[in-house]
Amino acid sequence: AQKVTQAQTEISVVEKEDVTLDCVYETRDTTYYLFWYKQPPSGELVFLIRRNSFDEQNEISGRYSWNFQKSTSSFNFTITASQVVDSAVYFCALSVASGGYQKVTFGTGTKLQVIP
Amino acid sequence: EAQVTQNPRYLITVTGKKLTVTCSQNMNHEYMSWYRQDPGLGLRQIYYSMNVEVTDKGDVPEGYKVSRKEKRNFPLILESPSPNQTSLYFCASSRIPGHMPLHFGNGTRLTVT
Repeated sequence: AQKVTQAQTEISVVEKEDVTLDCVYETRDTTYYLFWYKQPPSGELVFLIRRNSFDEQNEISGRYSWNFQKSTSSFNFTITASQVVDSAVYFCALSVASGGYQKVTFGTGTKLQVIP
Repeated sequence: EAQVTQNPRYLITVTGKKLTVTCSQNMNHEYMSWYRQDPGLGLRQIYYSMNVEVTDKGDVPEGYKVSRKEKRNFPLILESPSPNQTSLYFCASSRIPGHMPLHFGNGTRLTVT
């Protein structure tokens, strides 16, 4: 069975602070993909990043960075120097696809509020 | 513009009145899926389709039906809606299931009274 845990339900930070959103996953499959999506107050879901299970290289994109560690089954997301526009709900997702089988499991989301 | 289009955006209905939420994508994606979003539960997969005429249940399929007669369309059907199906629904598509990111529609907020 697959599971994604985002233990932080809500986080509030003051603008310009750094913030890390945690994601812990469980799967028995050796090949899988991890994703982060952002849902701003307007409600749409926006893709941020994808990682496959064989690529543990961390990634930085502007103020965003991701730390993937298979040893701890974690795929954490850090926003540096947060801005009000970062206020959103962030979802971590785990995806497995093999032959005719496919399953995507989302975490329950972390609501980030950046206070000006 | 590449997009997933859902209609309607908002829908209020009564218990037992059949309804259909449409979903269409213009990216020639083989994979499409439906999710519902509820507070504290995140997004849960209802049904998915790997290709035309190929559909399968997700985690919460009870009370829903889908069909995939054409590649671009994947409607969600509630034959007899109940109040516990009040939720925010998202349709999504992907070029390669599991590997590529999902492209989401803008959501349909359904209220069943």
